[in-house]
Amino acid sequence: SALTQPASVSGSPGQSITISCTGSSSDIGGYGFVFVSWYQQHPGKVPKLLIFDDSDRPSGVSERFSGSRSGSTASLTISGLKTEDEADYYCSSYKGNGAYVLGTGTKVTVL
Amino acid sequence: EVQLFESGGDLVQPGGSLRLSCATSGFSFRDSAMIWVRQAPGKGLEWVSTISGSGGSRYYADSVRGRFSISRDNSKNMLYLQMNNLRVEDTAIYYCAKEREYYAMDVWGQGTTVTVS
Repeated sequence: SALTQPASVSGSPGQSITISCTGSSSDIGGYGFVFVSWYQQHPGKVPKLLIFDDSDRPSGVSERFSGSRSGSTASLTISGLKTEDEADYYCSSYKGNGAYVLGTGTKVTVL
Repeated sequence: EVQLFESGGDLVQPGGSLRLSCATSGFSFRDSAMIWVRQAPGKGLEWVSTISGSGGSRYYADSVRGRFSISRDNSKNMLYLQMNNLRVEDTAIYYCAKEREYYAMDVWGQGTTVTVS
């Protein structure tokens, strides 16, 4: 089943927010071969990769986005929140054997 | 520039079939695993299927296994998704995506819409 994310998170410009992504021992909490990634999707747009391998950023992604993982929970932190960060965010965990499980999605609102 | 472009989405009746295509360019297609992800209207992303670079390994979500078939033509840099016995719940935007090192989807197409009704 899907990884669990909060339905919504909000913050004011300049603040930091954290989105959690909770899985199980068969995905995020697995031993060894675990890869968590995060995606941003603006309304009506294509998802964009923000974080891969738990905490690495692809070239061109702002340093304001950071990722971490502990146990069965992964987290995405957005620092210095901007209005352009208002979007839906999804986590993903590779489960092995070509399979992925995605999160339920979190809507970020900038107040 | 890496580009992916899906096509083939349409309105189809329950029980019908469709074949989606994903044209790719700008990277070594045969060296990249490729993925299909879908998004039902107003819902989240759902992984559908993965195919290895050679095409020799194919993986499916439980929700589509036995009905959908992923394939690729490395001579044409094309990815496909054959969808049979379609259900209303298969209605979604279907995205193809390129898998990068460390198992993430680093490039996405613009999506193609499948409506089963």
